[in-house]
Amino acid sequence: QLQLQESGPGLVKPSETLSLTCTVSGGSISGSNNFYWAWIRQPPGKGLEWIGSIDYSGTTWYHPSLKSRVTISVDTSKNQFYLKVRSVSAADTAVFYCARHPPSSWPDWGQGLLVAVSS
Amino acid sequence: QSVLTQPPSVSAAPGQRITISCSGSSSNIGNDYVSWYQQFPGTAPKRLIYDNNKRPSGIPDRFSGSKSGTSGTLTITGLQTGDEADYYCATWDSSMNAHLFGPGTRVTVL
Repeated sequence: QLQLQESGPGLVKPSETLSLTCTVSGGSISGSNNFYWAWIRQPPGKGLEWIGSIDYSGTTWYHPSLKSRVTISVDTSKNQFYLKVRSVSAADTAVFYCARHPPSSWPDWGQGLLVAVSS
Repeated sequence: QSVLTQPPSVSAAPGQRITISCSGSSSNIGNDYVSWYQQFPGTAPKRLIYDNNKRPSGIPDRFSGSKSGTSGTLTITGLQTGDEADYYCATWDSSMNAHLFGPGTRVTVL
């Protein structure tokens, strides 16, 4: 059964870069031709926001409002994919989820990781 | 401000039927599939409906979905106390080139 696990620091200082890793087990990123690997965030008490997705070849898609600050990358040899958000502020405080998805729905989610932006 | 619109809250007594709407436009719901998610506090969302009206294995048939034009609807019949949660719709927007989630609907069982 596919499992996704987010990891990274739970606290990041304003203006710095938030870096998270999603480790995939029970399935191979490189073997998932019809799926995408994504990051989604949820500020405390608020709704879900798609950040971006990547496929096994490294092709990326980003939310237009975050595109200038976000990079998603993949390392198929480690079965991991990554998120970097630059120049963070308190507005970036959220639970970050990694997910695997086909084109039109979201069946597989990690448990989520709370990242606070504070000095 | 969300591109998709959902009612903030819906409430009903146990056993009742509720519907949650998700309203969009021709560039999103009108042009792509709608999916629905259930989220309990402190947990990841769980897919209930995909491709407008398909249920993954393990999802009770009390949950059903439909789409008409630029709106999608999630229907829950035989409401149970365990259905108290937040519900989100999702779709793709071809103008924004972005996956969208609705703002969420809090379901309360009276």
